[in-house]
Amino acid sequence: DAEITQSPRHKITETGRQVTLACHQTWNHNNMFWYRQDLGHGLRLIHYSYGVQDTNKGEVSDGYSVSRSNTEDLPLTLESAASSQTSVYFCASSARQGYEQYFGPGTRLTVT
Amino acid sequence: GENVEQHPSTLSVQEGDSAVIKCTYSDSASNYFPWYKQELGKRPQLIIDIRSNVGEKKDQRIAVTLNKTAKHFSLHITETQPEDSAVYFCAASKVRGKLIFGTGTRLQVFP
Repeated sequence: DAEITQSPRHKITETGRQVTLACHQTWNHNNMFWYRQDLGHGLRLIHYSYGVQDTNKGEVSDGYSVSRSNTEDLPLTLESAASSQTSVYFCASSARQGYEQYFGPGTRLTVT
Repeated sequence: GENVEQHPSTLSVQEGDSAVIKCTYSDSASNYFPWYKQELGKRPQLIIDIRSNVGEKKDQRIAVTLNKTAKHFSLHITETQPEDSAVYFCAASKVRGKLIFGTGTRLQVFP
């Protein structure tokens, strides 16, 4: 069955380290998204991509980067992890822009 | 910029009662309005959605209504059950746009 996966599911890292969170989908969706979820803020968009080699900044993109080299993967990189980036991160994908998105299981990241 | 406001932030109901969650959007070009349910420790999952050419949509015990003039839409859950307890998120987007999420409503259904 087609699906969307994230790895790792849990990660603890230290301030200043580079961290990469993986997102992989097998639906062949062109559109992929990264969100962070914090209490009181709901789901906030970090970066998104509408296809290979396309990346765009969301509302909370500072300190994060993405690259899209194929349809299936959109890795999220924290260049220098900060305690403020402790959060739950969700990846999502959709077949068409402006249509329903399907979420991955999430990655809980703790920056100490 | 685009904004979606969601109310209430928490909602407690007795099992069997109805629950209503309301959202207001700012961008009049928005035309797609999904609702997601997120159980504790799980991913958000789409439960129902509506497009701007439809005023109401039902799926068993859940329904969504849309008022384009007032720029608001609502989720209605009837005959609530304990398994309806979760956080519910509304969202809005326009053609070829991004989903803008509300801040969520924590629904608790007491037996």
